[in-house]
Amino acid sequence: QSVLNQPPSASGTPGQRVTISCSGSSSNIGTNTVNWYQQFPGSAPKLLIYSQNRRHSGVPDRFSASKSGTSASLAISGLRSEDEADYHCAVWDDSLTAWVFGGGTRLTVL
Amino acid sequence: VQLQESGPGLVKPSETLSLSCAVSGGSVNDYFWSWIRQPPGKGLEWIGYFYHSGIMSYNPSLRSRINMSVDTATNQFSLKLTSVTAADTAVYFCSKYSSGMDVWGPGTMVTVFS
Repeated sequence: QSVLNQPPSASGTPGQRVTISCSGSSSNIGTNTVNWYQQFPGSAPKLLIYSQNRRHSGVPDRFSASKSGTSASLAISGLRSEDEADYHCAVWDDSLTAWVFGGGTRLTVL
Repeated sequence: VQLQESGPGLVKPSETLSLSCAVSGGSVNDYFWSWIRQPPGKGLEWIGYFYHSGIMSYNPSLRSRINMSVDTATNQFSLKLTSVTAADTAVYFCSKYSSGMDVWGPGTMVTVFS
């Protein structure tokens, strides 16, 4: 059971805009900034977004993120087949004094 | 910075898991470092981060079994996890720690079984 809640799956068609949600609590998302990671099967995660909405080097501006209260979301616009991957949210939890992750969302491009 | 994990693929229950992470493109003394693991088919779990000066933060759920250290001579850092059980079977990743884990190694699979 992950501290952060993500839907296990999401899908969209090429060109579409999709969002992936990440729900937490006042001790994590409610207080600190969220990072988002992209992971292809059999590979290591790659940082997409850090400090809430700053794109890591080389990440296209099709990827964006936002936060409201104790929930965060990752948006991918102009969906491409190469975006098919697992997406994880992560944030520091002040109560647990640890980084916590969501369970991951598998994005399928139909 | 590029990272590469190494270590035994198999560890017996109750023994100590030892992993190393080789750093290239930078000095092990220049950054904070972190370890993360991912059990097969499951989500990511943060293990801890540390700096060569001794600044560290470990996951409370694993703190009593963890030790992280730096080897300046070989430009590597390491993780030791004691008293392993089957629940410690996972892919272990090392990473550079800045605003979170920003550069990752490819990961190494560790299986605990007798």
